[in-house]
Parts: sequence; C-alpha cells; structure tokens
Amino acid sequence: AQRVTQPEKLLSVFKGAPVELKCNYSYSGSPELFWYVQYSRQRLQLLLRHISRESIKGFTADLNKGETSFHLKKPFAQEEDSAMYYCALKAHGQNFVFGPGTRLSVLP
Amino acid sequence: DSGVTQTPKHLITATGQRVTLRCSPRSGDLSVYWYQQSLDQGLQFLIQYYNGEERAKGNILERFSAQQFPDLHSELNLSSLELGDSALYFCASSEGPAGDTQYFGPGTRLTVL
Repeated sequence: AQRVTQPEKLLSVFKGAPVELKCNYSYSGSPELFWYVQYSRQRLQLLLRHISRESIKGFTADLNKGETSFHLKKPFAQEEDSAMYYCALKAHGQNFVFGPGTRLSVLP
Repeated sequence: DSGVTQTPKHLITATGQRVTLRCSPRSGDLSVYWYQQSLDQGLQFLIQYYNGEERAKGNILERFSAQQFPDLHSELNLSSLELGDSALYFCASSEGPAGDTQYFGPGTRLTVL
C-alpha cells in the first residue's frame, strides 16, 4: 500500500532563512507526487506537482526515486509562507494518499 | 477560489444524530472526492464518485454513505454520529476519474457533542 510520511509536525524558521519540508513515500512503482498548501482560514490548494517541474511562489520540489523523497524547498522563507503543507502521492489507478502535514511557521 | 462549494460551513449536532453535507464541484468536473480531516488522523480519503457512479472507496465507515446526483453535486451522509466523527470534511473535484489535479472546497466543520 502507498504511504506518505512527513516527519515534522511543526517547522519554524526565521524570515529569509532557507526552508525544507520533508516528504518520503513508499510505493514500488512510479507515482505522481504533489504538494498542497492550506493557508490560515483558506481551502487546501495545489502548490506544485512533480511532473510539471515548476517553481511556485519560490518553492521547488525534486522527486528522488532512489531515496523515495519529494522534499519541498525554498531558499528564502517569507512570513506569508506560514501555512500547513501536505505532501500527496497518487499511484496509477489509485486515489490520492496524503501525508499528515507539516505546519510551517515563518518568524519575523 | 477553486469553484468548489460546500454547505454548510459549520454543523453542530449531538451523538446518535444524522447529518448531510453537500458539495458542488467545479463546472465541468465529473469527479467528486470526500475527505475527513481530524487533528489526529490528518487528511483521510473517504470516497470518490465519477459521473454519478462510485469510483473508489477509502477509509469510509459503514455509518457513512455518499452519492452523486445527475447534476454532479454530491452529498455525504453521516449517521449514528459519535464524538470521534467531529472533524473537517472536505470535498474536492477533478475533471477526470483519476490522475488529475484536485480542487478543494472550503470544508464543513462538524462538531458532535
């Protein structure tokens, strides 16, 4: 069965510092990986997906199949990045599996 | 705004009761997904409907059921409610049956007293 782990429940960094939110998955095939973000009082929304290889709001994520990881990175965190971040996996023909989430707090 | 709407926003009820949550997908989306988000369980997939038919089932209790109507809106019915059913219930929609980006609604917060 597919599984997504996000080891950090809470991550606090100072504004301007680099940030990395960890995501590891277990799946033997080739999954699609996603990062979703939930800002305070807002709905969950897609941040980025690995197949598009894009940078959104300064965030990037690289799929590392060897380490089965899809860590989310940003070189300089901003206060408005404070939110709940969910890593999600979708195997072919299967439904989304979400990680438990990491709450990012960017301190001034 | 993703275009997905959910009603009601908040619902407070008592144990043993039954409630219905409603979701309208984005225009053109045929799939509707239901998720439960609780503090200790994170975001759990419950069930998916595609074009009126049940497509996939996740961790949905037998006390819960759902359906998707011809106009593609969906309802999640929760019965014999227990304290542990208190959670945020999200609906999401996507264009196709699988592999698509999901667009989430604002959620319904259910409190069971």
